[in-house]
Amino acid sequence: AQTVTQSQPEMSVQEAETVTLSCTYDTSESDYYLFWYKQPPSRQMILVIRQEAYKQQNATENRFSVNFQKAAKSFSLKISDSQLGDAAMYFCAWNMNYGGSQGNLIFGKGTKLSVKP
Amino acid sequence: SQTIHQWPATLVQPVGSPLSLECTVEGTSNPNLYWYRQAAGRGLQLLFYSIGIGQISSEVPQNLSASRPQDRQFILSSKKLLLSDSGFYLCAWKHLHGAGANVLTFGAGSRLTVL
Repeated sequence: AQTVTQSQPEMSVQEAETVTLSCTYDTSESDYYLFWYKQPPSRQMILVIRQEAYKQQNATENRFSVNFQKAAKSFSLKISDSQLGDAAMYFCAWNMNYGGSQGNLIFGKGTKLSVKP
Repeated sequence: SQTIHQWPATLVQPVGSPLSLECTVEGTSNPNLYWYRQAAGRGLQLLFYSIGIGQISSEVPQNLSASRPQDRQFILSSKKLLLSDSGFYLCAWKHLHGAGANVLTFGAGSRLTVL
């Protein structure tokens, strides 16, 4: 069965600094997607970034970027120039590319990020 | 554009009472729909998903059930709530095609407290 592991329950970063959140996953599939979701105190789940496994280029979205290491099954999230609004729970998630079928997201347990002013 | 609505936002119910949480999606047709539960301090647990009207798949045996009476409506129910049903419930729909394929978009969530 596929699993997603986030080994850092909590992380802290100084405002304007850079922080990296770790995620590893276990799968025998070759065609899949990886995601980072953010859950602020409001608890609304928000997509941060998405990576398609067949794309070697790491996804970027403004201050957010990933380091996708397919062979190592690692998918870390780097937040640059951290802002107070980045404080949230961050969830890593995996989804097989069913090409339109029901395929369900498997979530890690989350990393709580605090941003210090 | 697509939007997802979920209600009620907050619910306090006594043990043994029924439950109904509703989720609707606008701006898309035949979406895949999902119910997740998030217990305090824990990750998301998939409860049910649906690929069409009347088609429900259960991921975890429990005290809850789901129904999809209309294409864009997904309902989470219980006949008799247990204390362990307390948690934060999230409805979501999945983009199946295009640039946002496989992305889950979540509702704002429903916080259920069973006393």
